[in-house]
Amino acid sequence: SQQGEEDPQALSIQEGENATMNCSYKTSINNLQWYRQNSGRGLVHLILIRSNEREKHSGRLRVTLDTSKKSSSLLITASRAADTASYFCASHQGGGKLIFGQGTELSVKP
Amino acid sequence: NAGVTQTPKFRVLKTGQSMTLLCAQDMNHEYMYWYRQDPGMGLRLIHYSVGEGTTAKGEVPDGYNVSRLKKQNFLLGLESAAPSQTSVYFCASSSSGGPYEQYFGPGTRLTVT
Repeated sequence: SQQGEEDPQALSIQEGENATMNCSYKTSINNLQWYRQNSGRGLVHLILIRSNEREKHSGRLRVTLDTSKKSSSLLITASRAADTASYFCASHQGGGKLIFGQGTELSVKP
Repeated sequence: NAGVTQTPKFRVLKTGQSMTLLCAQDMNHEYMYWYRQDPGMGLRLIHYSVGEGTTAKGEVPDGYNVSRLKKQNFLLGLESAAPSQTSVYFCASSSSGGPYEQYFGPGTRLTVT
């Protein structure tokens, strides 16, 4: 399979806590993207980090990329119940195609 | 702008029946994609298109065909549906100039009995 892997598969935290999700991929990339999927909906793009970047921030989101380890992490700070969703990483390896991970299901309890 | 739309939202087919899923986008994107999503499997690419009149196979193309006669539309066909094709199907589009951020439709939930 070409798919990357995400860890953990499921994560349950309390509101206000931070949530960290990890992603590993298999080959060299141009960029790595994170998407969010609310239950029963399509995916929505959250943030993109290029292969020559190591860290990127967007609001409460922080993404890191370690190309030597072929891994990335997504940190959501001060989580809210509305952050409850599945989160997917997707690696762009060229040609316009993305390879998606299997996702992390995040549950934020009020 | 409607973004990416998919028709129908739900469908139940009997084994051996055929159907076509329609995807439309109004963002003038060159690239369009069809994925299937199964529990615990993430998204798997079925077919994609890098422009009007062109299509290419993705990771799981068997049992599906596609056509891109107009830039804004991308059709996914199932010629003879099988229970293994029970899934949620997502269409997405992206611009051709990179970095290939994809915009997704709301999905079609297909059940084959």
